[in-house]
Amino acid sequence: AQSVAQPEDQVNVAEGNPLTVKCTYSVSGNPYLFWYVQYPNRGLQFLLKYITGDNLVKGSYGFEAEFNKSQTSFHLKKPSALVSDSALYFCAVSPLLNSGGYQKVTFGTGTKLQVIP
Amino acid sequence: GAGVSQTPSNKVTEKGKYVELRCDPISGHTALYWYRQSLGQGPEFLIYFQGTGAADDSGLPNDRFFAVRPEGSVSTLKIQRTERGDSAVYLCASSPGQGMGGYTFGSGTRLTVV
Repeated sequence: AQSVAQPEDQVNVAEGNPLTVKCTYSVSGNPYLFWYVQYPNRGLQFLLKYITGDNLVKGSYGFEAEFNKSQTSFHLKKPSALVSDSALYFCAVSPLLNSGGYQKVTFGTGTKLQVIP
Repeated sequence: GAGVSQTPSNKVTEKGKYVELRCDPISGHTALYWYRQSLGQGPEFLIYFQGTGAADDSGLPNDRFFAVRPEGSVSTLKIQRTERGDSAVYLCASSPGQGMGGYTFGSGTRLTVV
């Protein structure tokens, strides 16, 4: 069975500082990995995904994520945090299919990011 | 449509009643997913449609839950004999095909069973 762990319920960072939101995963075979963001009273929005290739993936709003196969991690990063980045962030995983796609995606429990002005 | 539309946005029902939740995916998206998000939790997979057929319904918690997508577009999630534990936000998502890109989620239906 596939699973995702987000060890931090909340991350606080000062505006302008770099941020990291941690994620580790467990899946059979190669992973298809995602990050989503959820703003208050709004739906989940896709940020970025990793399938294969370069371990550093760039996504929306200046976010990037680093895939580390040996540590089974996919941490979300941003070089300089904005107050508007404050939201709930979800990491998600699915087994990578032979077709290059995915099916059932499993989400973590989420990490609340608070950027302090 | 421009995005994934879910109706109603809020639904309050009495314990034991039947409810239907509707999802209208992005036009042309063949894959459609239902998730349930309880307070303080991540989305929990319920069911996945590829076209008209349910490709994976392993997440449906019990036989009170059922979903259809008769024409391969709009989907309806049906819950019979609702229980207070069914209270959650029900999220629908669609994607262009199996495993293409990320999901586009709707804003969800907040179901409250009283």
